[in-house]
Amino acid sequence: KAGVTQTPRYLIKTRGQQVTLSCSPISGHRSVSWYQQTPGQGLQFLFEYFSETQRNKGNFPGRFSGRQFSNSRSEMNVSTLELGDSALYLCASSQGKTGRSTNEKLFFGSGTQLSVL
Amino acid sequence: EDQVTQSPEALRLQEGESSSLNCSYTVSGLRGLFWYRQDPGKGPEFLFTLYSAGEEKEKERLKATLTKKESFLHITAPKPEDSATYLCALSPNTDKLIFGTGTRLQVFP
Repeated sequence: KAGVTQTPRYLIKTRGQQVTLSCSPISGHRSVSWYQQTPGQGLQFLFEYFSETQRNKGNFPGRFSGRQFSNSRSEMNVSTLELGDSALYLCASSQGKTGRSTNEKLFFGSGTQLSVL
Repeated sequence: EDQVTQSPEALRLQEGESSSLNCSYTVSGLRGLFWYRQDPGKGPEFLFTLYSAGEEKEKERLKATLTKKESFLHITAPKPEDSATYLCALSPNTDKLIFGTGTRLQVFP
């Protein structure tokens, strides 16, 4: 069974630009969560999608958005990039059977390393 | 405020030298506590879930325990391949997983 796939693996952007990251969950998984990982803050929850609906959202500005498609694939978008957005962005999928991804083990992709210059 | 703190930040062990990693937490209502392992350049990999105080889980050289205020990840006779960053994550009533900043473990032969 293929794991969680994130593309691209690396991305370099300049301030003010926007970026779209993609995540393909494990087949059959309906919940997709996104996390930002930085050396100082660790993993910070961005948002979670389940059956194309945003189920939960972390404390990030509105520049961070996401969506989920009918095949459970998900994208996240960051507009008007700032230097502080440089981070590893991780996507995680879970089965979604319990109705709460925080009760289930998460399967993470290898992430997209975003550098903002 | 729900919070999780991991210690130490970094740990260097000789192969075979057993030790413990700590994850202390304050939470309004705990649904579960998770341990993950993260290798450089990869996403975290699930290890254990603990749900109630007194619970223990084991996998190879790793054993996770849980009390009302903290969780320990005990590593017995570690090998160099156990080198990684170990993360604990809290599942509170708010439905937002809260991760600690991790313990970076290095095991030398």
